[in-house]
Amino acid sequence: DAGVIQSPRHEVTEMGQEVTLRCKPISGHNSLFWYRQTMMRGLELLIYFNNNVPIDDSGMPEDRFSAKMPNASFSTLKIQPSEPRDSAVYFCASSLWGGVGKTQYFGPGTRLLVL
Amino acid sequence: QQQVKQSPQSLIVQKGGISIINCAYENTAFDYFPWYQQFPGKGPALLIAIRPDVSEKKEGRFTISFNKSAKQFSLHIMDSQPGDSATYFCAASTGGADGLTFGKGTHLIIQP
Repeated sequence: DAGVIQSPRHEVTEMGQEVTLRCKPISGHNSLFWYRQTMMRGLELLIYFNNNVPIDDSGMPEDRFSAKMPNASFSTLKIQPSEPRDSAVYFCASSLWGGVGKTQYFGPGTRLLVL
Repeated sequence: QQQVKQSPQSLIVQKGGISIINCAYENTAFDYFPWYQQFPGKGPALLIAIRPDVSEKKEGRFTISFNKSAKQFSLHIMDSQPGDSATYFCAASTGGADGLTFGKGTHLIIQP
């Protein structure tokens, strides 16, 4: 079975540019999470969706960040405009809401570098 | 506000030894406590998890000990192997399908 798929795996962009990160959750999962990992702050929850509906976006750092989940198979995290401090690894994870254990399965991450 | 505190930041253990990583939490609403393992360049992967209604859970060489009154939980890796060298994160979440609050991670090195 395919796990969580993220694209691109690496992104290098210049400050001020728009960045779009993409995620395809595991088929059948109905919860999707976006996390950011940096050396200084560790792993932080940015936003999560249940059944395609955003539940908690309190972790989104600024209005420059936005996330959408137009259907059960796809989500995007957009940064506009990007800044050097946004450089991090962004992970998408999915789980089965209501399932025993609540295991979240993480994708391989997108490594973002903003110059 | 860091809701999950993890220690130590780094740990070196000899092959065959016991690795112990500790976490403490503040939010008494947390009811799910997983440990994740992460290798360089990879996403975190669930290792083992516990709920507060039990004090210990064991899966192979990995054991979680949970102390609800002290709001602490720990990961023990028995017979540590070089392949266990990775970064380990404790985490916690509340009921339902909430996101995880992670500790800062422990970089574990098992020396052959």
